[in-house]
Amino acid sequence: GNSVTQMEGPVTLSEEAFLTINCTYTATGYPSLFWYVQYPGEGLQLLLKATKADDKGSNKGFEATYRKETTSFHLEKGSVQVSDSAVYFCALSDLNYGGSQGNLIFGKGTKLSVKP
Amino acid sequence: NAGVTQTPKFQVLKTGQSMTLQCAQDMNHNSMYWYRQDPGMGLRLIYYSASEGTTDKGEVPNGYNVSRLNKREFSLRLESAAPSQTSVYFCASSEPDGYDGYTFGSGTRLTVV
Repeated sequence: GNSVTQMEGPVTLSEEAFLTINCTYTATGYPSLFWYVQYPGEGLQLLLKATKADDKGSNKGFEATYRKETTSFHLEKGSVQVSDSAVYFCALSDLNYGGSQGNLIFGKGTKLSVKP
Repeated sequence: NAGVTQTPKFQVLKTGQSMTLQCAQDMNHNSMYWYRQDPGMGLRLIYYSASEGTTDKGEVPNGYNVSRLNKREFSLRLESAAPSQTSVYFCASSEPDGYDGYTFGSGTRLTVV
């Protein structure tokens, strides 16, 4: 079945450090891939997405490239800020397989803490 | 602002009590979802509604019921609450193709004692 595996946290970085959060997936068909961010006490917000191989999603300085050959969608940011402290979720939606709904599958989340 | 609204934000129940979590979206989305979030477990799908008038079970439906009241509203009911249902519950909505991802509400933190 479809699944998402992301690196376990917590990840603690100093301000202006480089961030990578690894995400790999298993899916039939041609999934769309997403990164969501959850700030403390809030719901999940869509951070970026990619819908086909080699697409690069980007937003707020974060980037992720859809790599079909390595089934990966790693999240990167060149210089993190204290305000980036949050939990990050990788997710996939394999809408082309069976056409079923309710199939946004999440990784378990990676907590990022950025220290001044 | 457009989005997904959940009520209540916090709730404490005694074991065996019932309650309904409310969710409404004003984005004119066809599909709506209920997830629960537990430490170390990520988000797990409880029920979803692909369109008005339809509902389907997700990964963890036991102990819950849902109603898609109309296109805007999708409620989650706990008939007899158990401590294992202590969790944070999120409602979400999307278009059926999910192209733009899901829009989430801010969550309901439920404690069952």
